[in-house]
This record gives sequence, C-alpha cells and structure tokens, in this order.
Amino acid sequence: DIQMTQSPSTLSASVGDRVTITCRASQSISFWLAWYQQKPGKAPKLLIYKASALEIGVPSRFSGSGSGTEFTLTIISLQPDDFATYYCQQHYTYSYTFGQGTKLEIK
Amino acid sequence: EVQLVESGGGLVKPGGSLRLSCAASGFPFSSYNMNWVRQAPGKGLEWVSSISETSSYIYHAESVKGRFTISRDNAKNSQYLQMNSLRVEDTAVYYCARAAERTGWYFDLWGRGTLVTVSS
Repeated sequence: DIQMTQSPSTLSASVGDRVTITCRASQSISFWLAWYQQKPGKAPKLLIYKASALEIGVPSRFSGSGSGTEFTLTIISLQPDDFATYYCQQHYTYSYTFGQGTKLEIK
Repeated sequence: EVQLVESGGGLVKPGGSLRLSCAASGFPFSSYNMNWVRQAPGKGLEWVSSISETSSYIYHAESVKGRFTISRDNAKNSQYLQMNSLRVEDTAVYYCARAAERTGWYFDLWGRGTLVTVSS
C-alpha cells in the first residue's frame, strides 16, 4: 500500500496568516492527490483534487500543488472558518490511503 | 437534494455482525463508484471499501478483507457494508462517500456517518 505522510501534525496560526501543509507519498502517485477539510463532528469536505484542481464552491484562498511524491496545500489569508483538520488522500490506486491529518489551530 | 444517508450503526459485541446501508438521492446513483470510509474516535480517516458502478470492481482494505463485504443495489439507489467477525478496533464512524469521477477515486459527496461500537 502507498503510505501518505503529512506534516506538520499540528499547526498554530492567526487569522490573516498564510499556511502550508505538506503531504508526501511513499511512491509516485503522479498528480492523483486530494485534500479534505474536516471540522469536529462533521463529514470531510473535498477541497482540491488532482493535486491542484479546486472543487466548485471552495474559496480561492485554498490552493494545491505538487506531483510525484510531494504535495502542498496552501491557504492564504486565513479566515476563522478555516481552523479545522486537513487530510490528504492519494487517489492513484486502491487502497485510497489518507494522510494522518494536520490540525490547524488558532494561535 | 443531493445527499447520502447512512444507517445501521449501533452497539455490537466482538465477533458479531452488522450491516450498514447508505441511501443516495438527488443524483444518478448507478453512474457513480461508491465507497466506505471510517474514522475511529479521535483518529484520522481510513479508507475501507470501494465498489464500481456495476459492481464489476470491488476493493477492500487489508484490515477488513475477509470480514467486510461491500455491495450495492442500483435499483434501490443504495450501497451496503456487511461487517462480520467485528473487532473492538472496528469501532468508528462509518461514512458513505461518492467517488467524483469514473476514473477519479476522490470523494466529493459524503454522508453524515453512522457510529459502530464494538464492545463487550
């Protein structure tokens, strides 16, 4: 199975900050990577797919980049609603593994 | 309204069985690959199972292979997860999720989840 490793596990930031979360795959997955946002007690929400494609309705302050084994999710000008846990997921081949998550906290 | 609604969760003893259901509405269910993803209390997301539009392709995580079976009934706009030989470590919220594209196994629509608790 392909292993997905996110860093950092926890990130403290302030409203208005720019933050970056990294996701590394144990082998090349080309551009087949998705990012999700999850808030406590809620289902995950798709933000980005195919590494950089923004899901409809997701604010443009979210962006994704990368290919092969290293990917990033960037959020510019953090808003109060952005404090949540973020997961990457490879959709290159089954099993469609997720990263362990990055909790974005208010500083 | 486009939605997925899970049901069938509950408390079960180790070694027991449970069948989860996911009812889809508001979109052409038979045109989409479907999935189950779970989340243990306080933990991250874990992909469990996937099934293609016509059930031609079925995949299960190693952690549930031989114990869980995914299926679907396109006439009823529903998918299912039959869970046998349940273990304490299967305790989790189980989410039903739609794969966005035929060749893109990323999940654009999720249900609210159903809690499965395995405990004696």
